[in-house]
Amino acid sequence: GDSVTQMEGPVTLSEEAFLTINCTYTATGYPSLFWYVQYPGEGLQLLLKATKADDKGSNKGFEATYRKETTSFHLEKGSVQVSDSAVYFCALSFNQAGTALIFGKGTTLSVSS
Amino acid sequence: GAVVSQHPSRVICKSGTSVKIECRSLDFQATTMFWYRQFPKQSLMLMATSNEGSKATYEQGVEKDKFLINHASLTLSTLTVTSAHPEDSSFYICSARDAGRGADWDTQYFGPGTRLTVL
Repeated sequence: GDSVTQMEGPVTLSEEAFLTINCTYTATGYPSLFWYVQYPGEGLQLLLKATKADDKGSNKGFEATYRKETTSFHLEKGSVQVSDSAVYFCALSFNQAGTALIFGKGTTLSVSS
Repeated sequence: GAVVSQHPSRVICKSGTSVKIECRSLDFQATTMFWYRQFPKQSLMLMATSNEGSKATYEQGVEKDKFLINHASLTLSTLTVTSAHPEDSSFYICSARDAGRGADWDTQYFGPGTRLTVL
């Protein structure tokens, strides 16, 4: 079945370090891909998305490129901040209005000053 | 931006009682809402898809008689955990899609979640 695999966490970085969180997917069609972020005590928020191959989603300094050839959607940020500490979820969804998101297990990022 | 609220944010109940959780889209209409369950340090697991005016679609392994879902209007879906037991203790999260013209069909807006503790 369709699935999303994320790198295991936690990821611990110092402020201003480079961040990569790997995400790969398995899907029978051509899904849209998403990164959601969950800050402590809050609900999930959409961070960025890409709807077709080679699209790059970006927001708040985070980027991810939809790579069909490697079925990947890795999240990157050039310089993380303490405020980026959160749980990051990679997810996919298909082009149907009633289709739910399929989530990866989430990766906890902890940034220290 | 689109906002989804959940009520209550936390609830503690005795084993055997029922608990109702509300999910509301505050500034948009949602023909479809989703209910997820999140265990500690784990991902969100889809429980059911709630469609306005029709029966919910439950995922395999989710007891529909235990987790009653009602989507009576375009802005409200409710999840009732009936005869709750300690193993039902979890974090329940709803999400909604904006059904309005011009809205992103594939973007879901999440509520802040409800922490249920069954004693």
